[in-house]
Amino acid sequence: NAGVTQTPKFQVLKTGQSMTLQCAQDMNHEYMSWYRQDPGMGLRLIHYSVGAGITDQGEVPNGYNVSRSTTEDFPLRLLSAAPSQTSVYFCASSYSLFKRPAPSYNEQFFGPGTRLTVL
Amino acid sequence: AQKVTQAQTEISVVEKEDVTLDCVYETRDTTYYLFWYKQPPSGELVFLIRRNSFDEQNEISGRYSWNFQKSTSSFNFTITASQVVDSAVYFCALSERAGNMLTFGGGTRLMVKP
Repeated sequence: NAGVTQTPKFQVLKTGQSMTLQCAQDMNHEYMSWYRQDPGMGLRLIHYSVGAGITDQGEVPNGYNVSRSTTEDFPLRLLSAAPSQTSVYFCASSYSLFKRPAPSYNEQFFGPGTRLTVL
Repeated sequence: AQKVTQAQTEISVVEKEDVTLDCVYETRDTTYYLFWYKQPPSGELVFLIRRNSFDEQNEISGRYSWNFQKSTSSFNFTITASQVVDSAVYFCALSERAGNMLTFGGGTRLMVKP
């Protein structure tokens, strides 16, 4: 298993440009999410999905769009990048505890991260 | 809303010293999960432990131990006989909704000097 993969690892954008951060997992996890990491603030939830076709907003959703057309993929789109979106982005996946039978152990698997700089 | 506070932003110790990283959380739920993650200089997030709110037993794993106290809403992490390889940023996190969405503390940067 490759686990959770993210591409690209590094990206530099100019203000106003758009791009998509890719995230994929091969563990058949229902739950996927995107976090951003900023110095001193830990990781903050941007968007999450509890299954294909279902997405919802997290703590800091503004400026980002997501979709979940398959169980495996959960791309994060920046429609018009701003310097405030300079950050490290992590994708994560896990089984849902609503799954039946419920998993006894719910570890979040994180991808390696994407470092994004917006100039 | 839930909140996780890691008051220590940076800790510096000399190798072989014991060190405790503090974590205080706030939640209105009676069912919740607490986590610790390690982020080494390479940047990836490494899962260390998960605890649910019904399990207050302390846990020991090698040089690592965790003290969960519901009475003080704390979930502290102790490294015994620290090593240089322990140098990293450590995050405490809380999850209310079925153990999926995580609220992270700001992290504690631990520097272990030889």
